[in-house]
Amino acid sequence: DAGVIQSPRHEVTEMGQEVTLRCKPISGHNSLFWYRQTMMRGLELLIYFNNNVPIDDSGMPEDRFSAKMPNASFSTLKIQPSEPRDSAVYFCASSLASNYEQYFGPGTRLTVT
Amino acid sequence: GQQVMQIPQYQHVQEGEDFTTYCNSSTTLSNIQWYKQRPGGHPVFLIQLVKSGEVKKQKRLTFQFGEAKKNSSLHITATQTTDVGTYFCAGPRGGKLIFGQGTELSVKP
Repeated sequence: DAGVIQSPRHEVTEMGQEVTLRCKPISGHNSLFWYRQTMMRGLELLIYFNNNVPIDDSGMPEDRFSAKMPNASFSTLKIQPSEPRDSAVYFCASSLASNYEQYFGPGTRLTVT
Repeated sequence: GQQVMQIPQYQHVQEGEDFTTYCNSSTTLSNIQWYKQRPGGHPVFLIQLVKSGEVKKQKRLTFQFGEAKKNSSLHITATQTTDVGTYFCAGPRGGKLIFGQGTELSVKP
């Protein structure tokens, strides 16, 4: 199995630009999670999906952030417009079901200048 | 809301010394999970404990789940440079995992 796949691995963009992060979960996993990691705030859960349905988006910082899961094999996290404080590593993780062990992707390192 | 606290935040040891990180939850947990994140890497699942008082071993790593299922510990015997990284505990709550802040371990050769 290829594991959780994320793209791009690195993204450098200017403030105000739209950023789209992509994730392909492990086949057969029904839960998908988006996390953000920074030195200051640690690992934060942004949103998670069960069976492609958003369950809890209370961690999404503000309206500039949105996430979709159009099918079981693909999810996106979009930031529009991006700001320098959005700079972080964004991880996608999947699991068989919520509360099970999670498998993390390699992450996308986002830098907003 | 539920909180998962980990101590210490940082631990620097000489190679060969032992290391322990502690995890405490404000509420009873159905299970506790442990993850390791190498520098520049992503969190990797290590183990899950479910039963009260459970102890599991993985080579030099020993994991314990408290009797009240509110605390847990990870102990590494005779650390090696390959043990470097951040160790996270996580407890399930409402369909998601609540992660501790992590303990960053550095090992001096």
